[in-house]
Amino acid sequence: EDQVTQSPEALRLQEGESSSLNCSYTVSGLRGLFWYRQDPGKGPEFLFTLYSAGEEKEKERLKATLTKKESFLHITAPKPEDSATYLCAALFQGAQKLVFGQGTRLTINP
Amino acid sequence: SQTIHQWPATLVQPVGSPLSLECTVEGTSNPNLYWYRQAAGRGLQLLFYSVGIGQISSEVPQNLSASRPQDRQFILSSKKLLLSDSGFYLCAWRTPAGYTFGSGTRLTVV
Repeated sequence: EDQVTQSPEALRLQEGESSSLNCSYTVSGLRGLFWYRQDPGKGPEFLFTLYSAGEEKEKERLKATLTKKESFLHITAPKPEDSATYLCAALFQGAQKLVFGQGTRLTINP
Repeated sequence: SQTIHQWPATLVQPVGSPLSLECTVEGTSNPNLYWYRQAAGRGLQLLFYSVGIGQISSEVPQNLSASRPQDRQFILSSKKLLLSDSGFYLCAWRTPAGYTFGSGTRLTVV
């Protein structure tokens, strides 16, 4: 069964303290790996799509990378406004649906 | 421009009452549409998806149903709500870049 697992479940950082969030997936032909940001009570906001191992994408303090079995969301010098839940999702070969991980709740303390 | 609308934003309903949540998209035609549910502190679970008018695929057996009466309209319904139907319901549509989500409906069954 296709699965997506995120770690850690929750992460607290001080402002400016860089770190990485992990998303691992079981492989049955990956068509795309998606990262979303979700604020409380709101729908997920699209961040990145990665399609092949070795691909990297950046947006402000965030950089997403992809290997054959996992993806990382690196956050550099985070600010309190980066606090949110970050969701990872995968689209597998022959599937119509995104399979989501449980999310990582990130808190940045000033 | 392409947008997705979802309403209502919040809903409190008694057990046994009916439900109707509506999702519409603008600026596109024949979109793939999805209903997801997010339980507190958990990832998103796909409930239904539709690739065209009148075409509904169900992912999990449940107390809910979906319909697509028009090209850009997707409706989630129930005849009799259960306490376990409480959650955050999200509509999404598939774009070339990824999946775009609506703002969500917080349903509380009391």
